[in-house]
Amino acid sequence: ETGVTQSPTHLIKTRGQQVTLRCSSQSGHNTVSWYQQALGQGPQFIFQYYREEENGRGNFPPRFSGLQFPNYSSELNVNALELDDSALYLCASSLGGGQGNQPQHFGDGTRLSIL
Amino acid sequence: DAKTTQPTSMDCAEGRAANLPCNHSTISGNEYVYWYRQIHSQGPQYIIHGLKNNETNEMASLIITEDRKSSTLILPHATLRDTAVYYCIVRGDYTGTASKLTFGTGTRLQVTL
Repeated sequence: ETGVTQSPTHLIKTRGQQVTLRCSSQSGHNTVSWYQQALGQGPQFIFQYYREEENGRGNFPPRFSGLQFPNYSSELNVNALELDDSALYLCASSLGGGQGNQPQHFGDGTRLSIL
Repeated sequence: DAKTTQPTSMDCAEGRAANLPCNHSTISGNEYVYWYRQIHSQGPQYIIHGLKNNETNEMASLIITEDRKSSTLILPHATLRDTAVYYCIVRGDYTGTASKLTFGTGTRLQVTL
């Protein structure tokens, strides 16, 4: 069973640029959730994708957007990067639209640094 | 989602049981108790979850009080590799935004020789 994989592992960008982060879900999982983890804090929910549509969103601006593909993999896109976007971006996959009795399984994240 | 309260940090000697408490006094009837841990520089790792009954798997045991207002994660024989931040999370049986995991500050468990 293949776990959640994310790419790239590290990325450096400058303010105003755009970035795309990628996530391959665990085998058999059809739901992907994205989280942002600033240094020293717990992960914060960005949004969730289920059946290729956004299925819920946290308190993040529209410049954070995403996609889910037919194979359930997903992308997180961030436009107009700001210094505060520097963080670890985590992807988690699960079954069934994220129902409460289905655990989410995380990848090891992409460390994004904004200069 | 119900809020949780955990001690900021705990120490445990290697080979001994680590008992990590969590209070969730406002938990609702359809909310599950989840435990994750995060080892430095890695993503959170799912450990165990439960609704009302005690649960056990190859990693840990979860003891939920009868009134469901608190729980304890037990690592039966802690090793140095169990040093991590442990998060107790309460989550309802919903989809979409309501299925998000809300992480608090967790308990930093330090396992020592």
